[in-house]
Amino acid sequence: DSGVTQTPKHLITATGQRVTLRCSPRSGDLSVYWYQQSLDQGLQFLIQYYNGEERAKGNILERFSAQQFPDLHSELNLSSLELGDSALYFCASSAGTVAGELFFGEGSRLTVL
Amino acid sequence: AQTVTQSQPEMSVQEAETVTLSCTYDTSENNYYLFWYKQPPSRQMILVIRQEAYKQQNATENRFSVNFQKAAKSFSLKISDSQLGDTAMYFCAFMTGKAAGNKLTFGGGTRVLVKP
Repeated sequence: DSGVTQTPKHLITATGQRVTLRCSPRSGDLSVYWYQQSLDQGLQFLIQYYNGEERAKGNILERFSAQQFPDLHSELNLSSLELGDSALYFCASSAGTVAGELFFGEGSRLTVL
Repeated sequence: AQTVTQSQPEMSVQEAETVTLSCTYDTSENNYYLFWYKQPPSRQMILVIRQEAYKQQNATENRFSVNFQKAAKSFSLKISDSQLGDTAMYFCAFMTGKAAGNKLTFGGGTRVLVKP
């Protein structure tokens, strides 16, 4: 158990819909990362937050947005969903220090039909 | 921008034998960190081993060891005495040494199948 909690574990929805994925980081970790893993692909970095502030942005679509709340949990919002958005979405957390290990949650499996 | 390349999509190995996974990366930085993560069928991402670029000594964790060649920008993973539980996707990853934006950049992965 990494200590990072993601909900929901599985989600099936239709094209055009909007979903929210939630992540609770490990206790004490200030940094949260979101990654997307499409079928049998590597992990693509989406966005990073540190103590409520956006720190780094990757290949995140404009239809996607994220935020980190004062209690440090984070949400990833995916809107106007397309079939190609079907993927495993991982959240990871770290203390935020240089080269701090990232601890990954179990992922949220999104299926868009 | 940093890139990480894993040139072997899939490898198989007999139980108890040794397998080596390749990874190359591209960066202009001198201070950085390299990682190998394992993703078993459960899909959980598990850290296997890490290497600091400023350290010349290769990292070792039990049956897992790396061959870090900084000049060649190469970071291979050797799994010795392979076990059935080692069957998984293995991802090589890079992290900048800068404090800001210390995200992991992953390679495309290598699927390892350990055969009994």
